[in-house]
Amino acid sequence: DVQMTQSPSSLSASPGDRVTITCQASQDISNYLNWYQQKPGKAPKLLINDASNLETGVPLRFSGSGSGTVFTFTINSLQPEDIATYFCQQYDDLPLTFGGGTKVEI
Amino acid sequence: QFQLQESGPRLVKPSQTLSLTCTVSGGSINTGGYYWNWIRQLPGKGLEWIGYIHFTGSATYYNPSLSGRVSMSIDTSENQFSLDLHSVSAADTAVYYCATGLGFNWFDPWGQGVLVTVSP
Repeated sequence: DVQMTQSPSSLSASPGDRVTITCQASQDISNYLNWYQQKPGKAPKLLINDASNLETGVPLRFSGSGSGTVFTFTINSLQPEDIATYFCQQYDDLPLTFGGGTKVEI
Repeated sequence: QFQLQESGPRLVKPSQTLSLTCTVSGGSINTGGYYWNWIRQLPGKGLEWIGYIHFTGSATYYNPSLSGRVSMSIDTSENQFSLDLHSVSAADTAVYYCATGLGFNWFDPWGQGVLVTVSP
């Protein structure tokens, strides 16, 4: 299985801060990497596919980059509504696997 | 755009079978290219993909981590697909989500999830 390691597991930031989350794959997964946002008590929501493609309707302060084994998810100018847990997910190989999540708090 | 809703027993006894159904609305489960997935989230933990079924029912993939305890089926007449997880234990207590996606690349949208507890 492709292991996805996310860091940090949690972080605290202030409104307006830039937040960066890293996801590292145990093998080269090209750009086959997605990012999800999960708010408490809700299902995850797809934000970014193919490492850097923003889903329709997702605010432009969210962005993703990377390829191969290291990927980055960034929130520029953190907003209070961004409080959530963020997960990466690879689809280069089966079984599909997720990172452990990063809880973002204010 | 599809909407998905999970249903089924919230409490299952150890060694029995956990059975859930996902009802799809907003489109036909027969829509070409879509795969129908189950994903679970253990309490306070991350996400584990259980597997998928293609609308034809002929293509399935189950996560080997579940040791052959999984089976999925699809009912195109009811626009539903189902999950059976056999021989459950307390370790299977989780929120279970159904989700779909074009291809088996990403999951969008998801159902709201249902907490299933395994307890005597």
